[in-house]
Amino acid sequence: SAVISQKPSRDICQRGTSLTIQCQVDSQVTMMFWYRQQPGQSLTLIATANQGSEATYESGFVIDKFPISRPNLTFSTLTVSNMSPEDSSIYLCSTFSWGSDGETQYFGPGTRLLVL
Amino acid sequence: QKEVEQNSGPLSVPEGAIASLNCTYSDRGSQSFFWYRQYSGKSPELIMFIYSNGDKEDGRFTAQLNKASQYVSLLIRDSQPSDSATYLCAVGSSYNQGGKLIFGQGTELSVKP
Repeated sequence: SAVISQKPSRDICQRGTSLTIQCQVDSQVTMMFWYRQQPGQSLTLIATANQGSEATYESGFVIDKFPISRPNLTFSTLTVSNMSPEDSSIYLCSTFSWGSDGETQYFGPGTRLLVL
Repeated sequence: QKEVEQNSGPLSVPEGAIASLNCTYSDRGSQSFFWYRQYSGKSPELIMFIYSNGDKEDGRFTAQLNKASQYVSLLIRDSQPSDSATYLCAVGSSYNQGGKLIFGQGTELSVKP
């Protein structure tokens, strides 16, 4: 299984500022995903990040608010721009791998963001 | 809109009992089905995945899939207090969507000693 790390693990930010979250995978992967989990809610996919192409955003998420970089096959960043208290969430990156049994998808430890 | 539905719970079972968690999904083209466990303040941890109709067992856990009924379940045998967590059902969207998951709202399970 892939081992995924994220930085920072948590942060407290002021409204109007931006935060960049880093995601590192211990092996080369084609696709990386960014999810958001708002307080008391389930996970919602923000975007899919493929190396060498623009990220694909889900309905309700836009590049200006959540710019994503994918410079190589083991690394991605998500920026939360012009933050408001509504952006307070856990942000998770994930990837999937193919094993003998099929596809499995794993998550990083998450970045807990509080916007004041 | 593609949806995944779970009972939010909380589901309370006594220690040693069987906990049954259920999930339905709307997209008939869904190909892969996952159960994650999430402890408070932690990220989701993969427990089981299933692709084919029928049962799949791993230790105390059994996943059941019925594509005709668009239904997937997770059984936890001999439930332990350490199983107390929120269980998330996730469905892989149609085959050509490449790894995207749609999550249910999660079912909170409480196992009482």
